Amino acid sequence: GESVGLHLPTLSVQEGDNSIINCAYSNSASDYFIWYKQESGKGPQFIIDIRSNMDKRQGQRVTVLLNKTVKHLSLQIAATQPGDSAVYFCAENGSSNTGKLIFGQGTTLQVKP
Amino acid sequence: DAGITQSPRHKVTETGTPVTLRCHQTENHRYMYWYRQDPGHGLRLIHYSYGVKDTDKGEVSDGYSVSRSKTEDFLLTLESATSSQTSVYFCAISESSPVGNEQYFGPGTRLTVT
Repeated sequence: GESVGLHLPTLSVQEGDNSIINCAYSNSASDYFIWYKQESGKGPQFIIDIRSNMDKRQGQRVTVLLNKTVKHLSLQIAATQPGDSAVYFCAENGSSNTGKLIFGQGTTLQVKP
Repeated sequence: DAGITQSPRHKVTETGTPVTLRCHQTENHRYMYWYRQDPGHGLRLIHYSYGVKDTDKGEVSDGYSVSRSKTEDFLLTLESATSSQTSVYFCAISESSPVGNEQYFGPGTRLTVT
């Protein structure tokens, strides 16, 4: 069945270091992927997205990499700051054409000062 | 939160009572979604709407119904609340589908069924 998962439930990094959050997906028909950030008590916040015709996309301090061969997605955060502490979710659209997204379980990023 | 409000933000109710959660958007987006979020399960889709009066089921729709009579409002109803429906409920909106359909989320409603 369709599934989106994360390799590590919790990631702890030192402030100023780079963070890498990984995500595996199983549906080869997925052609759209999103990363969300969720702070405690708030709704998920859109960070960055990528389509399957791309391998890499950069935003402000964030980069998403897509490896379709091994069905792997990663989110890289440069110079991690305390404000980056949150739960990060990846999501894929699966084989749906209705806008439905399938979310992973989430990785908690802890930034140590 | 991209012009999305949810009401109420917190609610405690008793088993067997009906509950309606409201999602209101000011973005005029076509698609609206209801998710629940539980520890260990992430975000799971309950129902979604692709237009006024057009709705469909998600992966965890049992025990829930929805209605959308206006573009801006999407209601989620628990006809007879159960303790298993204690959760945080998020509404999301999306302008377009199928590709390039980033969803924007509301602040959430924390529902406790006693």
